[in-house]
Amino acid sequence: DIVMTQSPDSLAVSLGERATINCKSSQSVLYSSNNKNYLAWYQQKPGQPPKLLIYWASTRESGVPDRFSGSGSGTDFTLTISSLQAEDVAVYYCQQYYTTLYTFGQGTKLEIK
Amino acid sequence: QVQLVQSGAEVKKPGASVKVSCKASGYTFTSYVIHWVRQAPGQRLEWMGWMNAGKGNTKYSQKFQGRVTITRDTSASTAYMELSSLRSEDTAIYYCARVAGDLAPFDYWGQGTLVTVSS
Repeated sequence: DIVMTQSPDSLAVSLGERATINCKSSQSVLYSSNNKNYLAWYQQKPGQPPKLLIYWASTRESGVPDRFSGSGSGTDFTLTISSLQAEDVAVYYCQQYYTTLYTFGQGTKLEIK
Repeated sequence: QVQLVQSGAEVKKPGASVKVSCKASGYTFTSYVIHWVRQAPGQRLEWMGWMNAGKGNTKYSQKFQGRVTITRDTSASTAYMELSSLRSEDTAIYYCARVAGDLAPFDYWGQGTLVTVSS
């Protein structure tokens, strides 16, 4: 199975500041045939199911604010929140769907400093 | 609008089985794949398996192979996940989620079903 490792495990950022979360996969999730990275980011708030934010590593899901962006390729990926808002407090997960044995990162808890 | 509505919380004894349902609405049930994911208290999301709702074929995580069965009733637009030989470590929230195709992200999730395993 592909192992997904996120860093850091937790992060405290001031309102209006930038938050950056990293995700590393144990093997590449880039399909050379279509040049797409099979990597998604989810946001989970307490008591709620996860919500899809980003897919194909950098495509924002409809309705997701543009302060959220994804980047990276191959094995190294980043989720960036350009200007942290109070409602962004949550746990963020990366996920690979490169193989039919889907796997998630361990999650990064984002808090307000 | 797309909705996945799961059955209610369950309390089971060790060794028993549990069957959780996931009723889909707002889209063509058989055109998508349904996945099951669980989350133990304070733990990461853990993928369990999927079923193509149209073809009925399934794939399971090696961790749950032999204990998990995913089925569906197309007439009711409902998917089911049954987990057997329950142990305390299976206490978790179980989610169903929709995927458009074989390799795609989870675009809609159910609200989750808490399964508690306790003697």
